[in-house]
Amino acid sequence: SAVISQKPSRDICQRGTSLTIQCQVDSQVTMMFWYRQQPGQSLTLIATANQGSEATYESGFVIDKFPISRPNLTFSTLTVSNMSPEDSSIYLCSVEDQGLASYEQYFGPGTRLTVT
Amino acid sequence: AQKITQTQPGMFVQEKEAVTLDCTYDTSDPSYGLFWYKQPSSGEMIFLIYQGSYDQQNATEGRYSLNFQKARKSANLVISASQLGDSAMYFCAMRGGADGLTFGKGTHLIIQP
Repeated sequence: SAVISQKPSRDICQRGTSLTIQCQVDSQVTMMFWYRQQPGQSLTLIATANQGSEATYESGFVIDKFPISRPNLTFSTLTVSNMSPEDSSIYLCSVEDQGLASYEQYFGPGTRLTVT
Repeated sequence: AQKITQTQPGMFVQEKEAVTLDCTYDTSDPSYGLFWYKQPSSGEMIFLIYQGSYDQQNATEGRYSLNFQKARKSANLVISASQLGDSAMYFCAMRGGADGLTFGKGTHLIIQP
């Protein structure tokens, strides 16, 4: 399976500022995704990071708030812009590993963000 | 739209017993995939098992098996011979088309010695 790293692992930020989260994969992957997990909640898909084109956002998430870059097949960034305390969450990237007979999705370790 | 329902917010199970975690789903896609993940208190998401909608046999991975009943739209996770280290949140998820995953609310499993 792919090995995924994220930076930073955690951060405490002031409201009104922005944070960029990096996701690095040890192999080329076609599909990369970004998720949010609010405290005590399940995971919610933010967007699909498309290589060479704009990300595809889910309902309730917009590019101005969560700009995403995908410059190549092993790397993506998610920026959380103009942060408020409601943005305090764990942000996770995931990749899809298309094996011979299945589509397995693996997650990075997550970035724990606290906004004060 | 896809929907995943996990009706067990929490479960207590004695060590070494088998555990069944319930998951039902709803989708209009003819082709889809079903996933189970484990999230320990450390927060990482650990992939456990995958079942494709066209797979003829139920998926198995070590102590984990997926009881896939397509007509009933259920995809229950069975953990055999539970261990203390199995204590964690367990999430059922679905993938349809080229999208990411839709998750259920999760089940908090606690294994008691």
